[in-house]
Amino acid sequence: DQQVKQNSPSLSVQEGRISILNCDYTNSMFDYFLWYKKYPAEGPTFLISISSIKDKNEDGRFTVFLNKSAKHLSLHIVPSQPGDSAVYFCAASAGAGGTSYGKLTFGQGTILTVHP
Amino acid sequence: GAVVSQHPSWVICKSGTSVKIECRSLDFQATTMFWYRQFPKQSLMLMATSNEGSKATYEQGVEKDKFLINHASLTLSTLTVTSAHPEDSSFYICSANTRVMVEQYFGPGTRLTVT
Repeated sequence: DQQVKQNSPSLSVQEGRISILNCDYTNSMFDYFLWYKKYPAEGPTFLISISSIKDKNEDGRFTVFLNKSAKHLSLHIVPSQPGDSAVYFCAASAGAGGTSYGKLTFGQGTILTVHP
Repeated sequence: GAVVSQHPSWVICKSGTSVKIECRSLDFQATTMFWYRQFPKQSLMLMATSNEGSKATYEQGVEKDKFLINHASLTLSTLTVTSAHPEDSSFYICSANTRVMVEQYFGPGTRLTVT
């Protein structure tokens, strides 16, 4: 049962353009969402997060949008740079308290390639 | 800040032997550490969650007697793969956070190859 889904295995974008990575979830108990970037043979690096009480969070070139009614979030990178080429994972958390605190459920990842 | 290290970065061992992987939080005290496993071209699969000073909580399908987790201090957790077999070959990644964080900070991973 895949509770967090990234339906696009890969995305190719020209340098300077916008990259839009999508993520869908099914568990309505998720209340915090995160994006991670991962290079091969390395651990994921935290990029940006959003609480379910917000619909947008921005940090430099990265913006995350959350549509709770659609159970959908997206990561926008603008402008895209060749160094952004990596695997991007969407993750979700069901909130604080109990044994589930901080436990993240990851999507399958999307390989982003930014061409010069 | 929020740096997590892992050691070793790669290890090759013979079938039937045990191997220990260390995970350290370098600049913060990690109340919780997580162990993941990643197969090629797949997502991160959570194996277990460990809180300092208490027993680890294992995810369904993960053998607790095979993957021994110890979280003896606020900066160190270890994963021991006991009686390793070739199917245990994988990329193992740890992460850590505190009670005031939702985001987890990940180590660089350990590539285990069992021959």
